[in-house]
Amino acid sequence: ETGVTQTPRHLVMGMTNKKSLKCEQHLGHNAMYWYKQSAKKPLELMFVYSLEERVENNSVPSRFSPECPNSSHLFLHLHTLQPEDSALYLCASSQERSQYNEQFFGPGTRLTVL
Amino acid sequence: GNSVTQMEGPVTLSEEAFLTINCTYTATGYPSLFWYVQYPGEGLQLLLKATKADDKGSNKGFEATYRKETTSFHLEKGSVQVSDSAVYFCALSDLSNQGGKLIFGQGTELSVKP
Repeated sequence: ETGVTQTPRHLVMGMTNKKSLKCEQHLGHNAMYWYKQSAKKPLELMFVYSLEERVENNSVPSRFSPECPNSSHLFLHLHTLQPEDSALYLCASSQERSQYNEQFFGPGTRLTVL
Repeated sequence: GNSVTQMEGPVTLSEEAFLTINCTYTATGYPSLFWYVQYPGEGLQLLLKATKADDKGSNKGFEATYRKETTSFHLEKGSVQVSDSAVYFCALSDLSNQGGKLIFGQGTELSVKP
């Protein structure tokens, strides 16, 4: 248990559905991250929030929409996804956005887009 | 740009064998270096880290030394156990590169047989 929880753990959705992934951290951290983990590819950073402000958006398609209502919660809203978006989506948090601070990861949401 | 290269897996070893997983990096500035481990069905967990040249990170019998002259951060363990079977990720974080962004290698799968 790393102090970062994600729900749901598994999600199957059609291409026309709208769903949301939720992440919650209980560590008092100020920075939160979304990563995409696909088979045979390195982890891809999608979004970074620091003190609830988005500070990085790595050329992610607009069908992925992040939301950070407070420093403990992070959402990823999904709509009109493609089958190639099927992957493990990992949330992480860190004390602050610093090169010295390790990131703590949640267990991930396994997403399948049909 | 910054990048991390790991040896390809899978690596298969017998219990009590010596483990080395090679990791080299390319970076501007002075990155911190990390090893993360991902057990089946789980998110990533920090295994060890080093924040400056010649630092040695260690945890649970694993070690890695930050070698600036060879731009390497190889992971070693003297005697592996079946429970070490997992995927290992080398990563770097460079504050000069958009603020604490973690760049991961592609991961190396380790399988330890009894």
